[in-house]
Amino acid sequence: DVKVTQSSRYLVKRTGEKVFLECVQDMDHENMFWYRQDPGLGLRLIYFSYDVKMKEKGDIPEGYSVSREKKERFSLILESASTNQTSMYLCASRYSGFVAGANVLTFGAGSRLTVL
Amino acid sequence: SQELEQSPQSLIVQEGKNLTINCTSSKTLYGLYWYKQKYGEGLIFLMMLQKGGEEKSHEKITAKLDEKKQQSSLHITASQPSHAGIYLCGGSRGGADGLTFGKGTHLIIQP
Repeated sequence: DVKVTQSSRYLVKRTGEKVFLECVQDMDHENMFWYRQDPGLGLRLIYFSYDVKMKEKGDIPEGYSVSREKKERFSLILESASTNQTSMYLCASRYSGFVAGANVLTFGAGSRLTVL
Repeated sequence: SQELEQSPQSLIVQEGKNLTINCTSSKTLYGLYWYKQKYGEGLIFLMMLQKGGEEKSHEKITAKLDEKKQQSSLHITASQPSHAGIYLCGGSRGGADGLTFGKGTHLIIQP
C-alpha cells in the first residue's frame, strides 16, 4: 500500500513564525498535493506538484509556498504564520499514469496546525 | 469551477438501519471518488466511479453514478458503529490538478 507520511500530527506556532509542513510518500508517485480542511468549508486545494521541481497554485495559495526538491517529498511553507491559517492540513499523492484506477489520491493522516 | 454539493450535511442513524448520502456536481464528472474520514484523521479511499450508470459495492457500501455523471449516491446497508465518520465525495477536474471535494456528510450511528 502507498504510504503518505506527514511528519507532524499536531503543531502549535505563534503569529509571524515560519512553519514547515513535511510530507513524504513511498510509492514513487509523480503528483503531490496540499489541501487544508476547515469546518463548513471542506477541503480546499492550496498547491500541487506534477513532478520534481514543479509546482502549481491551487485554489487558495495566498500565504503559502511549496518545495519539491525530491520526488518523494513535498513541503508546505507558511512564511509568516497568521491565525487564519489555523487548520487541518492534508497531503496527498497520486500516480500520474493512464491506468484504470491510477488517479486515486492517497492521503496522509493530516497535520493540525494552531497559530496563536 | 466545479462544485460538489453533498446532502445531508449530517445524519444520525440507528444501528442496523440503511442510509443514503448524495453528491451532486454542477458539471459533468470525469470521475467521482468516495472517501471516508475518521475525526481528526486523513481520508481513506472507498470507491471510484467513472462511467455513467456505474455501480460498485464493497461489503455493505454501494456507490452509484447517474447516467449524466453529475449525481452520485452512497448507500450503506445495515449500518454499524464502524461506519461512523465523515463521508466526502471528490470529483475529478479532468486534469492533473487533483480533486474537488464536497463539504462532507457527518454520519453518527446510534446504538
